[in-house]
Amino acid sequence: QKEVEQNSGPLSVPEGAIASLNCTYSDRVSQSFFWYRQYSGKSPELIMSIYSNGDKEDGRFTAQLNKASQYVSLLIRDSQPSDSATYLCAVLGGSYIPTFGRGTSLIVHP
Amino acid sequence: EAGVAQSPRYKIIEKRQSVAFWCNPISGHATLYWYQQILGQGPKLLIQFQNNGVVDDSQLPKDRFSAERLKGVDSTLKIQPAKLEDSAVYLCASSPGLAGSLRRYEQYFGPGTRLTVT
Repeated sequence: QKEVEQNSGPLSVPEGAIASLNCTYSDRVSQSFFWYRQYSGKSPELIMSIYSNGDKEDGRFTAQLNKASQYVSLLIRDSQPSDSATYLCAVLGGSYIPTFGRGTSLIVHP
Repeated sequence: EAGVAQSPRYKIIEKRQSVAFWCNPISGHATLYWYQQILGQGPKLLIQFQNNGVVDDSQLPKDRFSAERLKGVDSTLKIQPAKLEDSAVYLCASSPGLAGSLRRYEQYFGPGTRLTVT
């Protein structure tokens, strides 16, 4: 059973701070990694994908991947109250089957 | 570009009844996914189609759940008979599935169907 682990939180950060969300995975041959944002009562929305080791930046979001440690993270700079949501980590295993973590709840307080 | 469409948005049924959900993916997307999301949990993959073939259905409770994707476009997911523990949001997603593209597995979700079994 391929596993994707996330701390359920909630992670609470003040407005303007950096929020750091972490994810570990068990399938060593995983090649593709995704972060989705899910607002309460809504469906997941893709915000970042990363495929190679290192950092990938898109606006206020940075995804970081370390395949040797089987670890992927998402940094949100200058956090805003509108960033308050659940962040889901998804990993595409060697068989191209996606597995989602349970998500980390982020609360950005003014 | 139109997004993933799902219907109905909400459904309330009694246990042992049957229910069906419909999904229309983004035009041209080859891969279609059905997920079950229970409150407080991440989406659990039920079945994945590539065009009209099944890629994975290892977590689909086949004694009561069935799914099909006719002509490689629309898909239906059926539950018969429903149990109380089937109460969840059922999400449909699609991805391009284009060979050679790194973005081929980026998923786009529909609004979901909230099922309540009483």
